[in-house]
Amino acid sequence: NAGVTQTPKFQVLKTGQSMTLQCAQDMNHEYMSWYRQDPGMGLRLIHYSVGAGITDQGEVPNGYNVSRSTTEDFPLRLLSAAPSQTSVYFCASSYRRGASTGELFFGEGSRLTVL
Amino acid sequence: AQSVTQLDSHVSVSEGTPVLLRCNYSSSYSPSLFWYVQHPNKGLQLLLKYTSAATLVKGINGFEAEFKKSETSFHLTKPSAHMSDAAEYFCVVSLTSGTYKYIFGTGTRLKVLA
Repeated sequence: NAGVTQTPKFQVLKTGQSMTLQCAQDMNHEYMSWYRQDPGMGLRLIHYSVGAGITDQGEVPNGYNVSRSTTEDFPLRLLSAAPSQTSVYFCASSYRRGASTGELFFGEGSRLTVL
Repeated sequence: AQSVTQLDSHVSVSEGTPVLLRCNYSSSYSPSLFWYVQHPNKGLQLLLKYTSAATLVKGINGFEAEFKKSETSFHLTKPSAHMSDAAEYFCVVSLTSGTYKYIFGTGTRLKVLA
């Protein structure tokens, strides 16, 4: 029962470097998303996807890119890292059942520090 | 537009006393609502969910929440706090009209005093 798998768990970058946070789920969920968590601000939605080939922006998309080529994978790319992107990142997936949405299933989180 | 407001950023209770964490939402459509808990340096765990069935929802660890459409509220309660309940709690709203997404409240940090 892997659920949602995020890698890496920890990463330190220098300003201007690029990197990709990986996210994979094995539950055949159509919905996948990325959040960042900062103290006192809860979880803020970066990007989300409702199926392969479909992505959309959340509340704080600037500086991040996503793609969804398969149902299972939803990588988050930082194009040119900035100190303001120091945060904990969570990937989450979910499903829709009739008129209702299911709960979010979360990865364990990735702690990113940008120096 | 949908949004969710957690009315208290910090709540302190004594062990053995009731817990009330307040959440109000706004949504143009019938929402699904969730409460998650996050213990320090841990991931997020689902406490309970409302998805248009019974308005009183029971969750894990003795928590429950009541969906009140007229008040647009989904407050989280527990009759008797335990030290292990100290954590941050998030109220989450989603809707299913068209493209769907989930929006988090800013969280309520619960402190339990011995």
